[in-house]
Formats: sequence, C-alpha cells, structure tokens
Amino acid sequence: GAGVSQSPRYKVAKRGQDVALRCDPISGHVSLFWYQQALGQGPEFLTYFQNEAQLDKSGLPSDRFFAERPEGSVSTLKIQRTQQEDSAVYLCASSLGSIAFFGQGTRLTVV
Amino acid sequence: RKEVEQDPGPFNVPEGATVAFNCTYSNSASQSFFWYRQDCRKEPKLLMSVYSSGNEDGRFTAQLNRASQYISLLIRDSKLSDSATYLCVVNPEEGVLAGNMLTFGGGTRLMVKP
Repeated sequence: GAGVSQSPRYKVAKRGQDVALRCDPISGHVSLFWYQQALGQGPEFLTYFQNEAQLDKSGLPSDRFFAERPEGSVSTLKIQRTQQEDSAVYLCASSLGSIAFFGQGTRLTVV
Repeated sequence: RKEVEQDPGPFNVPEGATVAFNCTYSNSASQSFFWYRQDCRKEPKLLMSVYSSGNEDGRFTAQLNRASQYISLLIRDSKLSDSATYLCVVNPEEGVLAGNMLTFGGGTRLMVKP
C-alpha cells in the first residue's frame, strides 16, 4: 500500500497479557517512530529507529515496552504484562525527509 | 512545563468565522515547525509546515515568532469540514532524518457549527 499500515487496528487485552503491535512503514522510509496517544492528548514519543538501529528509546515508559525493527522495514512494539494505564492509541510514523506520515494507529484497551 | 503547549479548546465557531490558535514551545533551539490536523479516531496528517517568513495555503495562514517562541495558525472562512484537532509540532532539527523526534502539543479542538 501507499501509506503506513498498522495492525491490528483494535486490540483488547486482559491485564497481564503480552501484546505485539505491528507497523509497516512506507517502502524506502529510513526513519520510523512510535508514539502513544492517550484520549484527549497529543501523541507522546516512545522510540525512534533509523533503518534497523534504535537510536532513541527515551520515551518508553517502562521496561515492559520493547520495540524492534530487525530488517529496517517492519517494526513491532511489544508490551509485556499489560496494565490498564497502557490503554491508548499507539501510532507509528515513517519518514524519508522532513515530513512524517502516520499510520491509523492501534487502539489498545486493557481490561 | 510541557515542551509544546496549546490551549485545548474547544473553540466553537460559526461557519464563515475566522479563528486563530497559538502554540508556545520551550526549546529555543527548535528549528522546524508544523501544524498537523487530526480528525476524531484518525491519524495525524500534515496540514502545513511553518516557515520563518510565514506562509499561507488557501484559507490557512501559519506564522512563526522565534523571539516569543510561538507559532500560530489562522483559519479564515471556516468550513464545517475544518472541525478537527489541530496539533502543533516542533522539531529541534531541520528534518526528521536528523534523528530527533517530533514533539507534539496536546492539540486544540475546533468545532465549526452551521
């Protein structure tokens, strides 16, 4: 497809369950970002990749959050032992130049 | 204090009105600035970049005031379809390839009424 694709679009997890969120960036885009957006808030930075290298993970809220991009294209954000405060929309964005393009996000609800 | 601050609104305006939003940023070294638009339950989409000299795109005008560290967005002749959340975005470097993440404000919600 032409845009950033994220899956699943919606995920309901029981507290304590592990989840994996997938991002397919625009082909050829070097930079990939993950953001977390709580209801009524702006997106908050989680982590950044340049190709397969994770250059910044300062926004990951705890060691339960882990992201990877092993071949420099598809990225996975994994959340272990989910908590209710993890409920949010997780947005992925990719970029080749000065503009970032976002996927539609994964809405995670932890119950 | 957040790095990028916006009035959350909502701004309720009638069709045809002119409305302006401001956004302040704390990092004086910031280099590039953007306005993104986000519709309900959708992803943010770039509305316009903000240049030092100010720029206009149809009914939308963006301005940057480096001395006071704020950017503004002016919407003229508001349409119902302008109803959305407008996100102010700041980047410490020119271009995201520099490896610095975009920092978002909390967004300003606009509701245009008939």
